[in-house]
Amino acid sequence: GENVEQHPSTLSVQEGDSAVIKCTYSDSASNYFPWYKQELGKRPQLIIDIRSNVGEKKDQRIAVTLNKTAKHFSLHITETQPEDSAVYFCAASRGGSYIPTFGRGTSLIVHP
Amino acid sequence: GAGVSQTPSNKVTEKGKYVELRCDPISGHTALYWYRQSLGQGPEFLIYFQGTGAADDSGLPNDRFFAVRPEGSVSTLKIQRTERGDSAVYLCASSADKRYGYTFGSGTRLTVV
Repeated sequence: GENVEQHPSTLSVQEGDSAVIKCTYSDSASNYFPWYKQELGKRPQLIIDIRSNVGEKKDQRIAVTLNKTAKHFSLHITETQPEDSAVYFCAASRGGSYIPTFGRGTSLIVHP
Repeated sequence: GAGVSQTPSNKVTEKGKYVELRCDPISGHTALYWYRQSLGQGPEFLIYFQGTGAADDSGLPNDRFFAVRPEGSVSTLKIQRTERGDSAVYLCASSADKRYGYTFGSGTRLTVV
């Protein structure tokens, strides 16, 4: 089955800095890669996703890149703000059931 | 409803007891998923429904776990003979189209004592 590795487990940045979270996946058939943000005690919320036919996608301060050959994808957050502090999960899924396998999460801390 | 609703939000039960966790998906969403999230971990897939049928139950850890969705809307996750290791947050999610990211509920925090 699919295996998703996520790094780092904790990321601490100063407000205004950029943050990058990286994930690798094992199943070359995976073709959909969502990212979720989970604030303490709350539900995971989809923030951005990318499909395998696209190399990069942006939405305001967040962007995701995908390298299919290397089987890795990354989340980039620019101009970080304290409200960006949360746990971020990457996931990978394949066509058919599209059931995502999640990474273990990255705890992002943005210091004011 | 406006979102995915899960009840109860918290459940404390004694080891060996039976529990039922309920998920009410967004109206019209045909795809429904159950996940389990332990502290410090990502959500772990349990079972996926497309309509009334369980399309994939490969994530259920053993035969103590069972889920139903008899009318293609509300789903119930059932756990028999609960064990302390079952303690986790059980998340439900639904989607109008399984090809896209879905909406999670707030979860049920199950504690087995």
